[in-house]
Amino acid sequence: GAGVSQSPRYKVAKRGQDVALRCDPISGHVSLFWYQQALGQGPEFLTYFQNEAQLDKSGLPSDRFFAERPEGSVSTLKIQRTQQEDSAVYLCASSSGLAGAAGELFFGEGSRLTVL
Amino acid sequence: AQSVTQLGSHVSVSEGALVLLRCNYSSSVPPYLFWYVQYPNQGLQLLLKYTSAATLVKGINGFEAEFKKSETSFHLTKPSAHMSDAAEYFCAVSGTGTASKLTFGTGTRLQVTL
Repeated sequence: GAGVSQSPRYKVAKRGQDVALRCDPISGHVSLFWYQQALGQGPEFLTYFQNEAQLDKSGLPSDRFFAERPEGSVSTLKIQRTQQEDSAVYLCASSSGLAGAAGELFFGEGSRLTVL
Repeated sequence: AQSVTQLGSHVSVSEGALVLLRCNYSSSVPPYLFWYVQYPNQGLQLLLKYTSAATLVKGINGFEAEFKKSETSFHLTKPSAHMSDAAEYFCAVSGTGTASKLTFGTGTRLQVTL
């Protein structure tokens, strides 16, 4: 596609439910990042993939959060047993370069998760 | 560890006036610095970036930023604001190295009035 595509755009979950958020990066982009953006805050790093390898998951807030990118393209962020504090916009970004250190990150529109 | 501080969560300017959005950084290594803009219900878009080349960086939509090491600053400016500039602006820092990632500030919401 022309840009980074995320789905669903909006998700309402009851506390305790599992959710899965999908990211379809720009075709051919090696690097893929997940960020969490709470209301009124800047995005915070969750995890980073280089192709199918998850090289950095230091930002995942708990073991309820799990991300995968099995074929080096589409990525899924899964949150198990959702809690109210998980309510946020989850942003996916991709980059053609390695690690995105100086390259431009292309962001999707985000998936807004509301946990009731 | 790197961090950025954006002074002022809300800035209001009149159309045609100077825009100045402040960002100070902290980094233990020479940083890469970025400004991103986020329009309502849209993804973040890169405005400009500093990667140790010229200290004055020009970006899209008439924005520019100057890297000042002595002041650890990377303020964003635009000589004349336009209504379409109203958005949320984020400063971000990235360290060099193969495992770098962006650390964002808390953002500054720019309002442009007639």
